[in-house]
This record gives sequence, structure tokens and C-alpha cells, in this order.
Amino acid sequence: QITLQESGPTLVKPTQTLTLTCTFSGFSLSTSEVGVGWVRQPPGKALQWLAMIYWNDDHHYSPSLKSRLTITRDTSKNQVVLTMTNMDPVDTATYYCAHTLGNALTTNVPFDYWGQGTLVTVSS
Amino acid sequence: DIQMTQSPSTLSASVGDRVTITCRASQSVRSWLAWYQQKPGKAPKLLIYKASTLESRVPSRFSGGGSGTEFTLTISSLQPDDFATYYCQQYIDSWTFGQGTKVEI
Repeated sequence: QITLQESGPTLVKPTQTLTLTCTFSGFSLSTSEVGVGWVRQPPGKALQWLAMIYWNDDHHYSPSLKSRLTITRDTSKNQVVLTMTNMDPVDTATYYCAHTLGNALTTNVPFDYWGQGTLVTVSS
Repeated sequence: DIQMTQSPSTLSASVGDRVTITCRASQSVRSWLAWYQQKPGKAPKLLIYKASTLESRVPSRFSGGGSGTEFTLTISSLQPDDFATYYCQQYIDSWTFGQGTKVEI
């Protein structure tokens, strides 16, 4: 059974760095074709993909946020960490981590399992 | 970046209705298109991938169609549990979501 759980601060101040942790079970990020990504959703708004990391440590970022994001993994702890620098009130959102499982032909696949999300508010 | 546009933004319907949501991509995504259902306060749930393949345990009243730049999600007979917001997502080039369609009573 695959589960993911996000954790991190609920409130950050403008200009601070946000660090979120996704702790997962039921799969290994060392297994071929597996990926874990981050998606956020401002209150009442649409979903926005942020970052992705794969079993082989390859990683990708949303072009619009690339300069502010870093995604890393700790396979021994079954965790993926996302950091976002220079937080602003417009970054207030629910942040989700999610699982993907590609195949031999592609890692371009949808997110099949999601965490419950964690709401991060940016305010002084 | 590939942009995804859904229509309508809001859809009012009744139990038993057949409803169709449209999603358009700014360039061809072939069949690399997924649909998600999201209820308030919950994470999105994958319904359909590869434009028309139903995820396991998703009721057969949901169906997807299209390819290239135009796609549809159809619910053949709307059930009370289906009132939610639906998102399309392309995954041929990173991942981009549509703005969502809220299906309300």
C-alpha cells in the first residue's frame, strides 16, 4: 500500500526559505522508473507542478520557479525534501507530494498516489 | 510551456445527467493526458490516463476521449459522489494542469 505524507512549517515569513519533507511508504525511490514530485495549490486556485525527482536522482523543475527550488531524496529514510527560497505571500498554498511509476519507454506519467497535502501560509 | 484550458469553468447539473468537460492543449500532447477529481480539502484522485484509460477502481460511468489538442471527460450518469472539481493534466512535457471545472448541483 503506497502512502505519502507531507510535513513542514505551516507559517513562514516573507523572504524565508521553506523546507518541506515528503515521507513515503509502500515503494522505494531506488526502484527503476519511480518518481516523486511536488504540486501546489493556492486556496481556491488550480494545481501547479513544482518539481520531480527520479530513482536515478534525475530531477526537473517548473521553469517559472526553477531558480528558487531544490529537490533532494534520502532513500534510506524514504524521504524527498523540497526547498523553496525567498518565500512570498503569493506562495501561500497547499503543497502536495505525489508518486509516479513510469516504464521502460517513458517516465512521463501522471501522479497516481498523493499525500494529503500541507497548507503553508506566507505572512509576516 | 504547454498551456491547458478547460471549459466550462463551472457546470451545473443534476443527478443522472450526462456531463462532458473539454480540455484543450496549446500544442499537441498526443495521448499524454490525464484527468483528476478533487473534492474540497482532499488531494486529487487520478481517474483517467493516456486520454482514455480508466484507472483501476474508477467507475465505468467515467470515460475519456480525444488526442492531440482536444480532449473530453464524460460522466455518463452523474452520481451524488461525482460533485467535485475536475482537472486535466498533460504529461508529455513536464506536467501542466488545466484551471479546473467545478461540477455543482
